[in-house]
Amino acid sequence: DVKVTQSSRYLVKRTGEKVFLECVQDMDHENMFWYRQDPGLGLRLIYFSYDVKMKEKGDIPEGYSVSREKKERFSLILESASTNQTSMYLCASKIGGESSYEQYFGPGTRLTVT
Amino acid sequence: AQKVTQAQTEISVVEKEDVTLDCVYETRDTTYYLFWYKQPPSGELVFLIRRNSFDEQNEISGRYSWNFQKSTSSFNFTITASQVVDSAVYFCALIYGGSQGNLIFGKGTKLSVKP
Repeated sequence: DVKVTQSSRYLVKRTGEKVFLECVQDMDHENMFWYRQDPGLGLRLIYFSYDVKMKEKGDIPEGYSVSREKKERFSLILESASTNQTSMYLCASKIGGESSYEQYFGPGTRLTVT
Repeated sequence: AQKVTQAQTEISVVEKEDVTLDCVYETRDTTYYLFWYKQPPSGELVFLIRRNSFDEQNEISGRYSWNFQKSTSSFNFTITASQVVDSAVYFCALIYGGSQGNLIFGKGTKLSVKP
């Protein structure tokens, strides 16, 4: 079974703090994704990565950056957290190459910025 | 524009009722893939099904069935004899040729099944 884990289920940070959300997958997947989920808005793609050290902007990259130094790990960074970044963050991974393969999701991190 | 619409925001049914979740999609591509995911209260999205644009055969898996109709751009999901464990948010999603393999999600339908 594919396993995608996220470092925290719940996180509370203060405005202006630098925040790191970590995601690790154990199935040697090439592609990894970060989404945020908000009520009434569904899931929106923040960043994705096709391979180590590669990254691409999604639909809402502003205020975020990412890092992929190892194939199994994809980190989402909030350089200076703001209250409008309070949300549920979901990480996903999939096999590379064929776009139709399904994505496998982690359990999510619910981030509150106060 | 590429888009997925789930018009039903919330549905509430009583156990053993049948329920259909609607999904309408828009894409200009002739090759695309449609997905359904389930998100139980625990938060993790669980993959349910993938269907490609060339395969309009309906699919049944236990109490779950999917009806794909290209003529109406719909990919509806039916749960027969619903159970309390079916309570979740259900997402329909689309991958099209130009999406670089990225999922375009609908906004989800929250299903509550009451005993």
